[in-house]
Amino acid sequence: GESVGLHLPTLSVQEGDNSIINCAYSNSASDYFIWYKQESGKGPQFIIDIRSNMDKRQGQRVTVLLNKTVKHLSLQIAATQPGDSAVYFCAENSGYSTLTFGKGTMLLVSP
Amino acid sequence: NAGVTQTPKFRVLKTGQSMTLLCAQDMNHEYMYWYRQDPGMGLRLIHYSVGEGTTAKGEVPDGYNVSRLKKQNFLLGLESAAPSQTSVYFCASRAGASGGGTAIDTDTQYFGPGTRLTVL
Repeated sequence: GESVGLHLPTLSVQEGDNSIINCAYSNSASDYFIWYKQESGKGPQFIIDIRSNMDKRQGQRVTVLLNKTVKHLSLQIAATQPGDSAVYFCAENSGYSTLTFGKGTMLLVSP
Repeated sequence: NAGVTQTPKFRVLKTGQSMTLLCAQDMNHEYMYWYRQDPGMGLRLIHYSVGEGTTAKGEVPDGYNVSRLKKQNFLLGLESAAPSQTSVYFCASRAGASGGGTAIDTDTQYFGPGTRLTVL
């Protein structure tokens, strides 16, 4: 939980605000990207994914944007709630079977 | 469905001791993975398996061995534990190869709750 968040970039927002978490990926050949949410003491939980033939995908309150030109991925959370407080990881497929994870961003939502 | 389960949840070892971590999934997934998570390091892949009876090395395989004798189980072994192996270990599983980009969910890895291991 807390040890996961050590030395991580942190985004602090107020409840009700929109949150944007950014991720730069490294491999221009990656064709699949995922965002995970990890709450304290739990395993990563799938949020949303996107393939490289798309530049936007929407879920419930979340949107992922992909900019292949600059190798950038973002996760937008609408109307952020205290329950959204967690560490968020992006991941890219680094081969046929495996994913490479970013180091994560901690989102803190104050009431 | 229980999804992905891991046993034990916590364990404390002394240097040099051995142990096995068990991962089980009830989703009939082909692929299984073992990761370790350390503060500020994100998730690093230890070993993985693309099917029953097959295993492959990931980014940080040294000091670990794995076995996939049954499709639903993936075991991670530490033969001689070292303090550097103190970490939180996560198992994940995935359905299999996607088919033409439409079966997007088959690439998604689903994680277990983790095992917190301390080596003294």
